[in-house]
Amino acid sequence: GENVEQHPSTLSVQEGDSAVIKCTYSDSASNYFPWYKQELGKRPQLIIDIRSNVGEKKDQRIAVTLNKTAKHFSLHITETQPEDSAVYFCAATVDIFGTGTRLKVLA
Amino acid sequence: SQTIHQWPATLVQPVGSPLSLECTVEGTSNPNLYWYRQAAGRGLQLLFYSVGIGQISSEVPQNLSASRPQDRQFILSSKKLLLSDSGFYLCAWCLGGGSYNEQFFGPGTRLTVL
Repeated sequence: GENVEQHPSTLSVQEGDSAVIKCTYSDSASNYFPWYKQELGKRPQLIIDIRSNVGEKKDQRIAVTLNKTAKHFSLHITETQPEDSAVYFCAATVDIFGTGTRLKVLA
Repeated sequence: SQTIHQWPATLVQPVGSPLSLECTVEGTSNPNLYWYRQAAGRGLQLLFYSVGIGQISSEVPQNLSASRPQDRQFILSSKKLLLSDSGFYLCAWCLGGGSYNEQFFGPGTRLTVL
């Protein structure tokens, strides 16, 4: 079955810097790659997703890149703000999640 | 618009007691439904998913079970809870029909087994 690895597990950046979180997946048939943000004690919510027919997608300060050949995809957050602090999960297909990255943006 | 409900929000149960968590979805038909468990500071572990009434797939061997008695109702149960069952349980739904789509999560149930 599908397996998703996510790195790093924790990430601290200074406010205004960029943050990058990377995921790799095992099933080459996977074609949907969402990213979720989970604030403390709350439910995960989708922030961006990408399908296998595109290599990059951007939404304001957030972008996702996909390399299907290498089977990895990444989340890029630019100009980070304290409110970006949360746990971020990648997923392959719909329901196979990475282990999460705790992002801390230091003011 | 669609909404997803879960209850209870928090639950403290003794080891060996039964469990029933309920999830309902409004505003959509024939959704795919999911149960996840999230241990403290950990990722999301898929427990069960369902593509229709009475259709349940299990991802991990465990002492939990799931049922889908109605199209928009998903229930997570256990006959005898273990300490290791403690965690944050999340129900989620997404559109069915074969293509992949965003999942919408419920507010979660925080279960503590003592």
